[in-house]
Amino acid sequence: EAGVAQSPRYKIIEKRQSVAFWCNPISGHATLYWYQQILGQGPKLLIQFQNNGVVDDSQLPKDRFSAERLKGVDSTLKIQPAKLEDSAVYLCASSPRQGAPGYTFGSGTRLTVV
Amino acid sequence: AQSVTQPDIHITVSEGASLELRCNYSYGATPYLFWYVQSPGQGLQLLLKYFSGDTLVQGIKGFEAEFKRSQSSFNLRKPSVHWSDAAEYFCAVASSGSARQLTFGSGTQLTVLP
Repeated sequence: EAGVAQSPRYKIIEKRQSVAFWCNPISGHATLYWYQQILGQGPKLLIQFQNNGVVDDSQLPKDRFSAERLKGVDSTLKIQPAKLEDSAVYLCASSPRQGAPGYTFGSGTRLTVV
Repeated sequence: AQSVTQPDIHITVSEGASLELRCNYSYGATPYLFWYVQSPGQGLQLLLKYFSGDTLVQGIKGFEAEFKRSQSSFNLRKPSVHWSDAAEYFCAVASSGSARQLTFGSGTQLTVLP
C-alpha cells in the first residue's frame, strides 16, 4: 500500500510569512495526526483528526497555526505568521481507526524560518 | 500525563557489537510502548511495539525489546549492530482511551564505527 504522502519536503520562508503543508494519509485511514519535531527533540503532537473532525488540538498554537481535513481524507496545516521558533520538521501520520496504536508516519516537511 | 525518558543522547558502538538503548516511561496503567527509528531526512519507521502478553517483543531488522513493569523500562536491544543501523531511535508511549496519542522521548542518536 502507498504510504503517507507529504509535501513539500523542504520549505524556507522569512519570519512573518505564511506557509502551508499538505498530507495525504494511507487510503482508508480514518485518523490523522500532525506532529512537530524540533531539532534534537522527539515529535510533539499538534492536532489529531478523526475523519474530518478534530479530536484534540490542545497543543496547537491557535493564534498562528490552523489545520483542516476537509472530506476526511487529506489535510493541510498552515502557519501564519511564522516565527523563528517554528523551524522544525512537521510530520503527518495516519492510523486505520481511532484507538489503533502504532501509526504510519510520512517523511515530513522540514521548515526553516529565517 | 505520560512521559518517556531516554537517558542516552548519543551512543557509539562498533559494527558487530551488541547494542542496548534505554527507555523509561511514566504511565499510570498498562502502557502501549513503541520503538521508532528515524534516518536523516526520513520519517519515523516502527521497529516494534508492546501491547500485552510476552514481555520480550521481536521487531524488524533484528531488534528486540523487553518490557519490565517493575522498572518502568522498555529497552531496545540488538545482538550485532550493522553500519546501516546508524540513525536516531525514539521510544514512545501511547495514551489511554480512544485517542491513543503518542508521547515520544527525546531520542538516542546511534553512531556505528567500522
